[in-house]
Amino acid sequence: NAGVMQNPRHLVRRRGQEARLRCSPMKGHSHVYWYRQLPEEGLKFMVYLQKENIIDESGMPKERFSAEFPKEGPSILRIQQVVRGDSAAYFCASSTLTENTEAFFGQGTRLTVV
Amino acid sequence: GQNIDQPTEMTATEGAIVQINCTYQTSGFNGLFWYQQHAGEAPTFLSYNVLDGLEEKGRFSSFLSRSKGYSYLLLKELQMKDSASYLCAVREYDSWGKLQFGAGTQVVVTP
Repeated sequence: NAGVMQNPRHLVRRRGQEARLRCSPMKGHSHVYWYRQLPEEGLKFMVYLQKENIIDESGMPKERFSAEFPKEGPSILRIQQVVRGDSAAYFCASSTLTENTEAFFGQGTRLTVV
Repeated sequence: GQNIDQPTEMTATEGAIVQINCTYQTSGFNGLFWYQQHAGEAPTFLSYNVLDGLEEKGRFSSFLSRSKGYSYLLLKELQMKDSASYLCAVREYDSWGKLQFGAGTQVVVTP
């Protein structure tokens, strides 16, 4: 049973380009969460999705950031017109939604904006 | 919202015990998690507490006091591989599973 798969592991983009980060949840998990970790800081919640639905996007910046989790395929976090401040590690986690359940994290995508 | 505080760094010697404290303020508590994160890697789940008391799992134990908004993670018989960041995270009631993380405590284990 593969874990949460994220790709790419490392992504370099020039300022103004688009970044697309992919996340495939663990088998049997229908809930996906995206977190951002800035250097020397803790993980910050961005968005929570179920298949074809955004449940909670309270942590998403109002502009340039979007997320989706289509019926088929991985969840995508899209950052348009990247700026240097977007450089961070982006982690995806998945879970079932039952009590006492932990979220399992992927290896993360390290985005560097040059 | 929540305010989650934990020390920035702790140092201990191999074989010793270290206790990492975490205090939190939340409008509706629904569970506290501890994760371990090695540099450049994914956080990995260590423990979960939703009721008061101590949960023991091998060399790691976690304690929760909901009335005090307080938890600790106890690492016993420290090994060099335990050098990592330890993240305290709180889930709010009706938060649909999202976690609010503290900044993490970097534990350095010395020989």
